[in-house]
Amino acid sequence: DIQMTQSPSTLSASVGDRVTITCRASQSIAGWLAWFQQKPGKAPKLLIYQASTLETGVPSRFSGSGSGTEFTLTISSLQPDDFATYYCQQYNTYYTFGQGTKLEIK
Amino acid sequence: QVQLVQSGPEVKKPGASVKLSCKGSGDTFSTSSIHWLRQAPGQSLEWLGWNNADNGHSESSQSFQGRVTFTRDSSANTAYMELSSLRPEDTSVFYCARAVACNNVGCLHFDSWGQGSLVTVSS
Repeated sequence: DIQMTQSPSTLSASVGDRVTITCRASQSIAGWLAWFQQKPGKAPKLLIYQASTLETGVPSRFSGSGSGTEFTLTISSLQPDDFATYYCQQYNTYYTFGQGTKLEIK
Repeated sequence: QVQLVQSGPEVKKPGASVKLSCKGSGDTFSTSSIHWLRQAPGQSLEWLGWNNADNGHSESSQSFQGRVTFTRDSSANTAYMELSSLRPEDTSVFYCARAVACNNVGCLHFDSWGQGSLVTVSS
């Protein structure tokens, strides 16, 4: 199985900050990576797929990059609605998720 | 995108089975391959398996082989997941999700999700 490891597990930040979340795969997954946002009691919401393609309707302050085994999700200027948990997910070989990064208000 | 609406919460005893439904809206459901995932309280997401809309075949994660079944009723625009031999550690929110660009090997990303169905396993 391909293991996905996110860092940090928790991130405290303020509105307007630029934040970056990292996701590492245990083996190369090329660019077959998605990022999701999840709020309490809600289903995950697709933000980015194929490592860097923004899903329709997702604000442009979200961006993704990387390939192979290392990927990042960046939020350029945090908005109040962005405080949530973020998951990376590989779909190169079956489907596995990172453990999540909880983005908290500082 | 397709809209997915899942069945309501369930409470089951250990050893029982549960069958969840996922109803899709729109004429794209018949060509939509549906995956099932779960999320235990406070945990990340875990993939259970999928039903391929193109050929009707199903595949499950090795972790659930022999214990999970995926079916669909195209006339009702509904997909189903049945999990048997339930144990307390199966207590989770179960999600259905539509994947894009599927072939007989697998799919790309999940673009639409149901709202989730809570299954509680307790004696």
